[in-house]
Amino acid sequence: DIQMTQSPSSLSASVGDRVTITCQASQDITNYLNWYQQKPGKAPKLLIYDASTLQTGVPSRFSGSGSGTDFIFTISSLQPEDFATYYCQEFISLPPTFGQGTKVEIK
Amino acid sequence: EVQLVQSGAEVKKPGESLKISCRASGYTFTPYWIGWVRQMPGKGLEWMGIIFPGDSDTRYSPSFQGQVTISADKSMSTAYLEWSSLKASDTAVYYCARVFDSSVQDDYWGQGTLVTVSS
Repeated sequence: DIQMTQSPSSLSASVGDRVTITCQASQDITNYLNWYQQKPGKAPKLLIYDASTLQTGVPSRFSGSGSGTDFIFTISSLQPEDFATYYCQEFISLPPTFGQGTKVEIK
Repeated sequence: EVQLVQSGAEVKKPGESLKISCRASGYTFTPYWIGWVRQMPGKGLEWMGIIFPGDSDTRYSPSFQGQVTISADKSMSTAYLEWSSLKASDTAVYYCARVFDSSVQDDYWGQGTLVTVSS
């Protein structure tokens, strides 16, 4: 089974800050990686697929990079509506596997 | 418009059985994997298992194998998640979701079903 290790588990940041989250897969998943945003009481929302492709309608301040086992998710300038929990998810295996999540809180 | 509509919240006692549902609309049900994601209170997302309605091929995450049963009714375009004997630790929100598909570059989620198990 593929394990996804996401870090940090939480972070505090201010509006306008650059935020970076990392995700490491236990084996090569090429670019079969998605990033999701989840707000309290809501279903997750797909932000980035194939490691680096922005989903339609998602602001360009969100970006992703990486391949193989190491991936990075970046918010270039944090906005008030971005305070949420973010998850990576590999989809090379069935069923897929999520990372543990990163809660982005207001400093 | 693709929609996944889940059945309503449930309150059950330990040892009881339960089957929750997820009705799909707006797309052809059979050729896409669909499954269930658990979110325990204050915790992260966990895929429990998925099913391919076209041939009922079902895959479970190791942690959930033998603990739940996932099924689908093609005629009703509906997926199900079933427990034979609930435990307090099954208290969670359960989301159904159509697994991300590279050909359509998207996935879809239900609204979530809160299951509370308490004596």
